[in-house]
Amino acid sequence: DVKVTQSSRYLVKRTGEKVFLECVQDMDHENMFWYRQDPGLGLRLIYFSYDVKMKEKGDIPEGYSVSREKKERFSLILESASTNQTSMYLCASSNPIAGGDYEQYFGPGTRLTVT
Amino acid sequence: RKEVEQDPGPFNVPEGATVAFNCTYSNSASQSFFWYRQDCRKEPKLLMSVYSSGNEDGRFTAQLNRASQYISLLIRDSKLSDSATYLCAVRMDTDKLIFGTGTRLQVFP
Repeated sequence: DVKVTQSSRYLVKRTGEKVFLECVQDMDHENMFWYRQDPGLGLRLIYFSYDVKMKEKGDIPEGYSVSREKKERFSLILESASTNQTSMYLCASSNPIAGGDYEQYFGPGTRLTVT
Repeated sequence: RKEVEQDPGPFNVPEGATVAFNCTYSNSASQSFFWYRQDCRKEPKLLMSVYSSGNEDGRFTAQLNRASQYISLLIRDSKLSDSATYLCAVRMDTDKLIFGTGTRLQVFP
């Protein structure tokens, strides 16, 4: 079974703190993704990585950075947390699409509250 | 206009009913289409891919209408356990997906 794990299920941080969200996948997937999910806005892509040390901005990268030093691990960094970054953060991984088959596997999510 | 749009619902249906959701997409260059299911406070999981010819998996049928740019999901004989949010997702020419905001289904006894 594919497994994507995230370091915390719930996190409470103060405004201005630096926050690290960690994601690890055990299926040797090349692609990894960070999304945030908010009511009425759905899943929005923050950053995407298609290989170690490679990254690409998603739709809402402002206020975030990422790091992928190893294939199995993809970190999301909030340099200076703000209250509008309170959200559910979901990590996902996948292999590149091949023959029409494609699936992103999601981690359980981290609910981050910034006070 | 959003790239992928869904009716948020909720759709409240009795057990045994047939229910259908649509999802419209704006970019005609979209290449692949998917339905994900998300239970309350859980992560999304792939329900089924949507193929050009339409596909069926048990009580679930997915169809693609390229001319009108929408995909649909039909659930027959609804079960209480089908209660969830159904997300459609569209892939362009990369491995990134664009998700709709989801349609909530509530099946009642």
